[in-house]
Amino acid sequence: DSGVTQTPKHLITATGQRVTLRCSPRSGDLSVYWYQQSLDQGLQFLIQYYNGEERAKGNILERFSAQQFPDLHSELNLSSLELGDSALYFCASSVEGVNTEAFFGQGTRLTVV
Amino acid sequence: AQSVTQLGSHVSVSEGALVLLRCNYSSSVPPYLFWYVQYPNQGLQLLLKYTTGATLVKGINGFEAEFKKSETSFHLTKPSAHMSDAAEYFCAVSLTGNQFYFGTGTSLTVIP
Repeated sequence: DSGVTQTPKHLITATGQRVTLRCSPRSGDLSVYWYQQSLDQGLQFLIQYYNGEERAKGNILERFSAQQFPDLHSELNLSSLELGDSALYFCASSVEGVNTEAFFGQGTRLTVV
Repeated sequence: AQSVTQLGSHVSVSEGALVLLRCNYSSSVPPYLFWYVQYPNQGLQLLLKYTTGATLVKGINGFEAEFKKSETSFHLTKPSAHMSDAAEYFCAVSLTGNQFYFGTGTSLTVIP
C-alpha cells in the first residue's frame, strides 16, 4: 500500500460527459502529480501541484483541469469526454526535496463509451 | 529537456536467467534516476533509486541498477528471473524531484 488513495477505481461514462477523479496523497506529501496511461501513449505527465499551487504542466488538454485543496487532496476534472480519453489515470505524491521518489495510487480506469 | 529511452518494449527471459532492462537518459546535469515496476491492474511501485555517490544501487526483490555517467545509462538487472518478476518496468528521471519523466516501459515476460 503506497498510501496514495484514488477514487473511484473504475468509471464508465458517455462521450461528452464530465467526470472528476479524486486523489488523497500520502500523509505529509505536499506534491501531487497526475499521469495518464494509455496503450498508445504510454505514461504521460499531465500536471503537478505543490501545496495548492500549480507547479508544472505537461501534456494536459484544455478540456482537463486539476486543483489541489487546502487539505492537500487533489481532483482531476475531465470534460467533453472523447473515446480517446479512455485510459488509466494515476495520481502520485511526493515530499518536497531532491531525490525523493513519487508514490503512486492504484489508478482510476476511465472508459468512455 | 530531460528524456528517458528504454530499449526494447518487450523482453523475454527464461526462469532463472539473467534479467537486463536497458535505460538511457539525456540530461545536461546529473539527474536523479528511478526504476518502477507495475504489475497488472496496479499502480507503479518503486524498485530502486539512484543517489549521488553510489553507482551500484540495490533495490527490492533482488533487482539492482548501475549508474554509468559516461554512458548516460541506468540499466536494471537481476541475476535470476522468477515468474513473479513478470511485469512492466519503467525507468524515470528527475532533476529536482519535482517532475518525473518516464520511459515508455519494458514488458518483461518470464518463461517457465
